[in-house]
Amino acid sequence: DVKVTQSSRYLVKRTGEKVFLECVQDMDHENMFWYRQDPGLGLRLIYFSYDVKMKEKGDIPEGYSVSREKKERFSLILESASTNQTSMYLCASRTQGFSTNEKLFFGSGTQLSVL
Amino acid sequence: AQSVSQHNHHVILSEAASLELGCNYSYGGTVNLFWYVQYPGQHLQLLLKYFSGDPLVKGIKGFEAEFIKSKFSFNLRKPSVQWSDTAEYFCAVNPNAGNMLTFGGGTRLMVKP
Repeated sequence: DVKVTQSSRYLVKRTGEKVFLECVQDMDHENMFWYRQDPGLGLRLIYFSYDVKMKEKGDIPEGYSVSREKKERFSLILESASTNQTSMYLCASRTQGFSTNEKLFFGSGTQLSVL
Repeated sequence: AQSVSQHNHHVILSEAASLELGCNYSYGGTVNLFWYVQYPGQHLQLLLKYFSGDPLVKGIKGFEAEFIKSKFSFNLRKPSVQWSDTAEYFCAVNPNAGNMLTFGGGTRLMVKP
């Protein structure tokens, strides 16, 4: 079974801190995604990566950056955390291109609280 | 802006009641459509998907969804819900077979035993 692992389940940080959220997948997937999940807003795409060192902005990239140095690992970086970045962060991965046999695999999420 | 709308944020039903959760999208052209479910404390899982063919799609656990192109809708249905269906349900749209998957705001379903 595909495994998407997020390094922390819960994280508490202070305003202004630099925050790293790590995600690792074990199925050699090309595409990886970072979403944030907020009540009533669903999942909103922050960034995605379609290959090593390749990235594209999603719907809400402001205040975030990403890093994909290795195929299996996709990191989300908050350069200077702010309270409005308190949220559940979800990582996901899949193979290249949607097809009838493909789906998105999600990690368990990281609940980040910025105080 | 292009979007995915789920009009019901919270739904409360008794066991054995019928369920219909609405999903509308605003993308033109070809779309792939999905429903995901998140049970309490668990990660998101795929419930069903539509790519082409029969617009009535059957998924796991007795769920089905109907794609109505003229209405830009992909509503989720289940004839008789169970307490174990308590979860949050998300509709998602992949426009033009690209890389993006846009989610609706989610609907929290509570089924009373």
